[in-house]
Amino acid sequence: NAGVTQTPKFQVLKTGQSMTLQCAQDMNHNSMYWYRQDPGMGLRLIYYSASEGTTDKGEVPDGYNVSRLKKQNFLLGLESAAPSQTSVYFCASSYEAGGPYEQYFGPGTRLTVT
Amino acid sequence: GQNIDQPTEMTATEGAIVQINCTYQTSGFNGLFWYQQHAGEAPTFLSYNVLDGLEEKGRFSSFLSRSKGYSYLLLKELQMKDSASYLCAVRDRDYKLSFGAGTTVTVRA
Repeated sequence: NAGVTQTPKFQVLKTGQSMTLQCAQDMNHNSMYWYRQDPGMGLRLIYYSASEGTTDKGEVPDGYNVSRLKKQNFLLGLESAAPSQTSVYFCASSYEAGGPYEQYFGPGTRLTVT
Repeated sequence: GQNIDQPTEMTATEGAIVQINCTYQTSGFNGLFWYQQHAGEAPTFLSYNVLDGLEEKGRFSSFLSRSKGYSYLLLKELQMKDSASYLCAVRDRDYKLSFGAGTTVTVRA
């Protein structure tokens, strides 16, 4: 199993450009998550999806959109990139939203917006 | 929401023991997780506590007191490879995780 994979690994955008970060998992997990990690601030939840076709906002959703059209894929879109969105983005998945099930993380996408 | 505090940095010697404390204030508690994150890598799961008490997994142990809003991660017989950031995360009743800023542990020879 590949686990959780993310593409691209690195990306540089200019202010105002748009892009989509891709996440895929092959563990048949129901729940998927997008986080951003900034120095000194820990991981912050952007959006999550408890099942295929459903999405909910997390702590910092502004400037982002998501889609979960297939169970194994969770896409994060930046509509108009801003320098404040420079960060490391992690996708995660878990078997169920409840229970003792831990989240498995992808390797991250390092995004720089100039 | 959640308010999670943990020390920023800790340093210890190879073979020693280090205890990383985590305090939290929550509007609805549904479990506490510890993750390890090496520099430039993804977080990986270490432990889970939902009831009060100690959970032991090899060299790592985690303790929880729900009444005090307190947890700690105990790392025994420290090895150089344990140098990493350790993240405390609290799950709420909607099953969302909130993370602390992380504690960077440096192990010295």
